[in-house]
Amino acid sequence: EAGVAQSPRYKIIEKRQSVAFWCNPISGHATLYWYQQILGQGPKLLIQFQNNGVVDDSQLPKDRFSAERLKGVDSTLKIQPAKLEDSAVYLCASSLELGLEAFFGQGTRLTVV
Amino acid sequence: AQSVTQLDSQVPVFEEAPVELRCNYSSSVSVYLFWYVQYPNQGLQLLLKYLSGSTLVESINGFEAEFNKSQTSFHLRKPSVHISDTAEYFCAVTLYGQNFVFGPGTRLSVLP
Repeated sequence: EAGVAQSPRYKIIEKRQSVAFWCNPISGHATLYWYQQILGQGPKLLIQFQNNGVVDDSQLPKDRFSAERLKGVDSTLKIQPAKLEDSAVYLCASSLELGLEAFFGQGTRLTVV
Repeated sequence: AQSVTQLDSQVPVFEEAPVELRCNYSSSVSVYLFWYVQYPNQGLQLLLKYLSGSTLVESINGFEAEFNKSQTSFHLRKPSVHISDTAEYFCAVTLYGQNFVFGPGTRLSVLP
């Protein structure tokens, strides 16, 4: 069974630039999560989708972050414009149903300089 | 809203010694509990989970965790650690239908 795929693995951008991350969840998984993991901290949920609808985006900084999940499968997370404090690893995860175990991708390490 | 506390940010232990990583959660209703492990430069991997049934759950690589409802704890234990167990360990809780809330993590360092 293929796991959660994310790209790119690494990205370095200057502040005020834009960046986008892509995630392909495990086939058949209805729930998709985007997490932000700052160095030395646990992952923090940014947004959660159930199929192509948003379940929870209460911690998403909507003035600069956006996410979509087209056709209930792949998802993209965008930051525009980026700030220095956005430097983190962005993790995508998926689960078969809400509340069940989540399977994580390897993450995208973003460095904003 | 639920929250997770992992009191130990770092735990150094010698190889073949036992270890316990502590996890406490706060929630007014029943939850599902998980332990995830993160090796350097990798994503999180599920180590074990408690959904219902027996309060003692085990992983394939010798870790176990016990759900204690009265103490709202889900501590992770291993009787004899290996160098390869060096990693970051995260406890997580979820209410059915809601997102995973992660603790801040515990860095386990196994020393030769």
